[in-house]
Amino acid sequence: GEEVAQTPKHLVRGEGQKAKLYCAPIKGHSYVFWYQQVLKNEFKFLISFQNENVFDETGMPKERFSAKCLPNSPCSLEIQATKLEDSAVYFCASSQGGSVSYEQYFGPGTRLTVT
Amino acid sequence: AQSVTQLDSQVPVFEEAPVELRCNYSSSVSVYLFWYVQYPNQGLQLLLKYLSGSTLVESINGFEAEFNKSQTSFHLRKPSVHISDTAEYFCAVSDRDFNKFYFGSGTKLNVKP
Repeated sequence: GEEVAQTPKHLVRGEGQKAKLYCAPIKGHSYVFWYQQVLKNEFKFLISFQNENVFDETGMPKERFSAKCLPNSPCSLEIQATKLEDSAVYFCASSQGGSVSYEQYFGPGTRLTVT
Repeated sequence: AQSVTQLDSQVPVFEEAPVELRCNYSSSVSVYLFWYVQYPNQGLQLLLKYLSGSTLVESINGFEAEFNKSQTSFHLRKPSVHISDTAEYFCAVSDRDFNKFYFGSGTKLNVKP
């Protein structure tokens, strides 16, 4: 598609429950990025993929967060045993990467509320 | 590693007045520079970008930004703002080698009638 699609739009989970977010990048884009935007509006980089391979995972809290980008499937970000502090808007972005363009195109986000 | 500083968290301005949103970055390597805009309850939209060439870049809705390498700045300006420009603006830096974005903390532009 021509836009980055994210589902669901809103997600409410009780503390300790699992949350799974999905992202469909723009067709033809090789890179996918996940960001977490918390209340102070700061964007925290979580992880990036080059096709189905993890490119950079330096921002991931590895104990509870995991992510995948499998061929012919939406990318996913999963949080095991959510905590109150995980409440945020999670944005996915994609880019062509390489020497073509470093511009990232953002999806509308998934708002996760942990109660 | 890079970092981005947006010193002004909020900028109130009257309609038709000029505005400048400041962005400074720190980097030991060449970078790409971006301004994104976020309207309430929406994702980020690219406003303009500097990759190479002319240091002054413009958007289709009247914003412009100038890359100043010596001052490591990429300030965003508009000579006359409109109510519809009310939004949050994020400056971002991308490392040319790693295709990873570093965002500033954002500046809320509030245009008053």
